[in-house]
Amino acid sequence: GAGVSQSPSNKVTEKGKDVELRCDPISGHTALYWYRQSLGQGLEFLIYFQGNSAPDKSGLPSDRFSAERTGGSVSTLTIQRTQQEDSAVYLCASSPRLGTASNSPLHFGNGTRLTVT
Amino acid sequence: TQLLEQSPQFLSIQEGENLTVYCNSSSVFSSLQWYRQEPGEGPVLLVTVVTGGEVKKLKRLTFQFGDARKDSSLHITAAQPGDTGLYLCAGVSWSNDYKLSFGAGTTVTVRA
Repeated sequence: GAGVSQSPSNKVTEKGKDVELRCDPISGHTALYWYRQSLGQGLEFLIYFQGNSAPDKSGLPSDRFSAERTGGSVSTLTIQRTQQEDSAVYLCASSPRLGTASNSPLHFGNGTRLTVT
Repeated sequence: TQLLEQSPQFLSIQEGENLTVYCNSSSVFSSLQWYRQEPGEGPVLLVTVVTGGEVKKLKRLTFQFGDARKDSSLHITAAQPGDTGLYLCAGVSWSNDYKLSFGAGTTVTVRA
């Protein structure tokens, strides 16, 4: 497919376990973003990548959250020692280049719904 | 605290009626985007407005960016069931144009 692919689509985990969420962006897109969508709230910026580097990690909620991108393509978001407040939909987006003006729109994946029990 | 406040939170109307969704902030944005999100899917960009006072029309959808670049509205004429979804506004700041600030969204239901 030509769109942003995220896996798994759903993940249920026990409190305290680690989880890894994967994002496969559109081929050729250099910018990649992670957002979190909690029930009744808007999307919350977590981190973005330009190529393999992450110039802005300020949105990561705590040091339990980390993300990496390899080969300028696939990205993984890792949450260690999950807590119930981590339950949310984690959305990945990619764009041809950095910037959110109309000439470089974000293309979102369908997200991973994480439930921490 | 949401940087962008959307109203109403929920809207249910009959097919053929008109509706307006509002997006307000105390912050000034370089541009503002509107997305529609359906259950189980990611948001899809509808429009970007970049000039204060700008009005953009996409078929039955009309988007307006306030003169002060702090607010925006989305108006749908003769709504159809296919317009059902979560409508999100997102502001682009002058300093960090890669980071979108989203409102909490308006859930629109159009009944046939």
